[in-house]
Order: sequence, then C-alpha cells, then structure tokens
Amino acid sequence: KQEVTQIPAALSVPEGENLVLNCSFTDSAIYNLQWFRQDPGKGLTSLLLIQSSQREQTSGRLNASLDKSSGRSTLYIAASQPGDSATYLCAVILSGGYQKVTFGIGTKLQVIP
Amino acid sequence: SAVISQKPSRDICQRGTSLTIQCQVDSQVTMMFWYRQQPGQSLTLIATANQGSEATYESGFVIDKFPISRPNLTFSTLTVSNMSPEDSSIYLCSVEVYTNYGYTFGSGTRLTVV
Repeated sequence: KQEVTQIPAALSVPEGENLVLNCSFTDSAIYNLQWFRQDPGKGLTSLLLIQSSQREQTSGRLNASLDKSSGRSTLYIAASQPGDSATYLCAVILSGGYQKVTFGIGTKLQVIP
Repeated sequence: SAVISQKPSRDICQRGTSLTIQCQVDSQVTMMFWYRQQPGQSLTLIATANQGSEATYESGFVIDKFPISRPNLTFSTLTVSNMSPEDSSIYLCSVEVYTNYGYTFGSGTRLTVV
C-alpha cells in the first residue's frame, strides 16, 4: 500500500526566505505526482504536476522535483510571501490501470511579514 | 483544466439529518471522485461516480450512508445521511478531465454536525 509522508508538518518562516517542502512515498511505481495548496476550510488548488518521465516542473516562484528511485519529491518556494501561507499537499498517483491517488497530510506553512 | 462549482461551501447541521452536496463541472468527464478530509487528516476517497452506473465505494464507506447521484457527465451529488458529529469534515469532489493532466478539485464543503 502506498504511503505518503510530508516533512515538516509545519513551518514558519520570515517573508522573503526560500524554503523547501518534502514529500516521500513508499511505492516508486507512480504515474504522476501533483502538488496542491489548500487554504483553511477550502478545496485544493493544483500547483504543479510532474509526470513520471519528468524530473521537475516550474511555475513562477515554485519548482517541484521528482526522484522516483529514492521515492522523493520536493517543492521549492522562492522569495516567500505572506500570501503563500497555506497547507501544501503532495499527491501520488499510482500507475496500473485505474488511477488511485494517495495524499500526504500536508505541510502547514506560515510566512511572517 | 476544469472548473468545478461545489455547493454549499459550508453548513452546520443537526445530528440525524442529511445534507446533499453538489458539484458542477464545466467539462464533460467520465469519472467524478468524492473525498472526505477529517480534521487534521489527509484526504480519503469515499467513492467514484460514473455516469449511468452505480458509484464504486471504497472500503469503509457504504451507499446507505453516502448515496451518490451522477445524472450526466457534468454533475454529481453526494449525500451525507443520518449525520453524527463524527461526520464533521471537509467534503471535496474532484475530476481528471484529460489523462495525465492531473486532478482538479472543487472548493470544498465544510460540514459541522452538532
């Protein structure tokens, strides 16, 4: 059974700092990996999707990497802003016909002005 | 990517009552997914809804408690029946419009049962 772990569980940083969020998974036979942002009590907003054949994706200040062999993904946020404060979720999408998605619990980020 | 309209955004309900959550997608999709996110927990898949057939429920979830409708390729409802405080969660719907393009989620329904 696929397990997804996100470290740290919570992170508080001053505005302007660069930071890295980590996601690890136990089954390397993944199809895709997707990073989401969730504001309190709200739905999920997709940030980046990395396909299994890719090693990284970039969007603005965000960069996500994927290392299937080691079962790891990182989300790098450059020049953090107070508006980045949210919970960041990693979702691993398994290969093999019916696609099942396993989520981590998330990293709660607070960016202090 | 798709845009999903999910209603209601939040509700406070009395125990023993039922709440129906709606999701409208701006694209036709084969499968729609319903998730539950309990406080401090990750998302758990409740069921997969296909148009024209019975929903497929995950282990631990039953149709009597979480009946689902899927009348067409753009709309689905999830009902939380005979609610108890343990049903207090965020409920989310999700779709994958194109294979390999990732999943899109609705804005969530924050349910509190008192």
